[in-house]
Amino acid sequence: DSGVTQTPKHLITATGQRVTLRCSPRSGDLSVYWYQQSLDQGLQFLIQYYNGEERAKGNILERFSAQQFPDLHSELNLSSLELGDSALYFCASSAQTSGETQYFGPGTRLLVL
Amino acid sequence: TQLLEQSPQFLSIQEGENLTVYCNSSSVFSSLQWYRQEPGEGPVLLVTVVTGGEVKKLKRLTFQFGDARKDSSLHITAAQPGDTGLYLCAGAAMGTSYGKLTFGQGTILTVHP
Repeated sequence: DSGVTQTPKHLITATGQRVTLRCSPRSGDLSVYWYQQSLDQGLQFLIQYYNGEERAKGNILERFSAQQFPDLHSELNLSSLELGDSALYFCASSAQTSGETQYFGPGTRLLVL
Repeated sequence: TQLLEQSPQFLSIQEGENLTVYCNSSSVFSSLQWYRQEPGEGPVLLVTVVTGGEVKKLKRLTFQFGDARKDSSLHITAAQPGDTGLYLCAGAAMGTSYGKLTFGQGTILTVHP
């Protein structure tokens, strides 16, 4: 158990819909990262937040957005969903902001029908 | 864009054999992490290497970080069926203030009894 929690574990929805994925980092960690894992692209970095502020952006679509709240939990919002958005979405956390070990949550499996 | 080339992509061996997985890049990384992932679960951290030339051992697993901090290897001695899984290397960028990890495509290891 990494100490990172994610909900829900599974999500099935239809194209055009909007969903919210939730992540709680390990106790004391200030950084939260979101990754997408698909069969053809592997694990891809989406976005990082540090202590409530956006710190880095990766290959995140404009239809996707995230935020980190004062209690340090984070939410990833996916809108206007397409079939190709079906993937595993992972949250990771770390103590600081750069270069050190990241601990991953169990992921949310999103299926868009 | 930083890329990590991981090889081999697939490895199928018999119990008791040794194996090595390679992770190579033209970019320099501040640290490199190895993860193991089971189907449907999040990556679990095995080790973080941060110093060029560093060697770390974890029971039957030996991890090495190249002198130039551009490559790494994972060697497993006397593989067991319990070692079966997806092995991922991930590099943290140099000289940046954020902790984005760049992942290799992964090595799917199957150890047959």
